Amino acid sequence: GQNIDQPTEMTATEGAIVQINCTYQTSGFNGLFWYQQHAGEAPTFLSYNVLDGLEEKGRFSSFLSRSKGYSYLLLKELQMKDSASYLCAVRDGAGGGNKLTFGTGTQLKVEL
Amino acid sequence: DVKVTQSSRYLVKRTGEKVFLECVQDMDHENMFWYRQDPGLGLRLIYFSYDVKMKEKGDIPEGYSVSREKKERFSLILESASTNQTSMYLCASSFPNYEQYFGPGTRLTVT
Repeated sequence: GQNIDQPTEMTATEGAIVQINCTYQTSGFNGLFWYQQHAGEAPTFLSYNVLDGLEEKGRFSSFLSRSKGYSYLLLKELQMKDSASYLCAVRDGAGGGNKLTFGTGTQLKVEL
Repeated sequence: DVKVTQSSRYLVKRTGEKVFLECVQDMDHENMFWYRQDPGLGLRLIYFSYDVKMKEKGDIPEGYSVSREKKERFSLILESASTNQTSMYLCASSFPNYEQYFGPGTRLTVT
């Protein structure tokens, strides 16, 4: 099975940088996903890591360390529209195909 | 753009009713998924399907069943709705080993 931990809430200032951490314990690992979910809307895909290191995509970057069971999502130049819940999800590599296990999400509030 | 649609945004049903939630995707994805999302518990997988007529139990299948007769359509069935099945239900689809695309969700209230 999977166990995924991420902070419940974070607050940051517009224009700043914020790092959202995710730790996981897994019986099989085949990739880690980050999703963004605005209130009342569906989750949307942000990033994917399967190898160690940093993946950069515009203002968003995601990092993975498989040996530590650790990932973070880095958001730069924060904007008010970045206020949302950020979901960390781990894909099961133990014959689970594309099955994902989600963390409970980190609610990010961006303030002026 | 990938489009995943769900039959209703809001649904109110009575305890004991049989409830059908429909999901359709237009990207020829092999994989389809049903989740429920509750405050403090996050997204939890109910059932998923790798192909037509194939289904696998997720983490919380009790009280639910599914049907996949066509590749683009995946139905979630609550055989006898109960108040603890009041939740947001999200459908998703994907190619194998690629990111999942979610529908807009159905907020189900069972009274």
